[in-house]
Amino acid sequence: DIQLIQSPSFLSASVGDRVTISCRASQGISSYLAWYQQKPGKAPKLLIYAASTLQSGVPSRFSGSGSGTEFTLTIGSLQPEDFATYYCQQLDDYPPITFGQGTRLEIK
Amino acid sequence: QVQLQESGPGLVKASQTLSLTCSVSGGSITSGDYYWSWIRQPPGKGLEWIGYIYYSGSTYYNPSLKSRLIISLDMSKNDFSLNVRSVTAADTAVYFCARHVWFGDRYFDPWGPGTLVTVSS
Repeated sequence: DIQLIQSPSFLSASVGDRVTISCRASQGISSYLAWYQQKPGKAPKLLIYAASTLQSGVPSRFSGSGSGTEFTLTIGSLQPEDFATYYCQQLDDYPPITFGQGTRLEIK
Repeated sequence: QVQLQESGPGLVKASQTLSLTCSVSGGSITSGDYYWSWIRQPPGKGLEWIGYIYYSGSTYYNPSLKSRLIISLDMSKNDFSLNVRSVTAADTAVYFCARHVWFGDRYFDPWGPGTLVTVSS
């Protein structure tokens, strides 16, 4: 199985901050990586796919980069509604499709 | 706009079978452009992919669960289902269904809102 390790697991930041979340794959996955945002009691919401393509309707302050084994999600200027848990997902090798363990982003 | 909705019992006894259905509206599950996936999330924990089905009936399961799983689809009802045999407390989770884009770009979107299933002893 391909393992995805996110860092950090927990992040405390303020409104207006620029934050970066990393996702490292245990082997190369080309660009088959997606990022999701999940708020308590809700389903995950797709933010980015193909490592860097912004899903329609997602604010442009979200961006993704990387390929191979190293990927990054960046939020350019945190807004109050961005405080949530973020997951990366690899869809290169199957089965199984796997997710990172999550990064919880909280208000400082 | 495609929407998905999970349904099924919220409480299942240990050793029995968990059965859930995902109803799809606004689009057809017989579209050859998509797979249809199940994902689960134990309380307070991360996401685990369970498996997916294609309109042809082909299935792919997570090896960690494969021996206990059946995913099927009902074209007449435009829905797909999950059965997990011999459940234990470890199967307690919120279960999500999602449309699985695979050909070309790859991602899950949209997701159903999720349904909590508790396994009781």
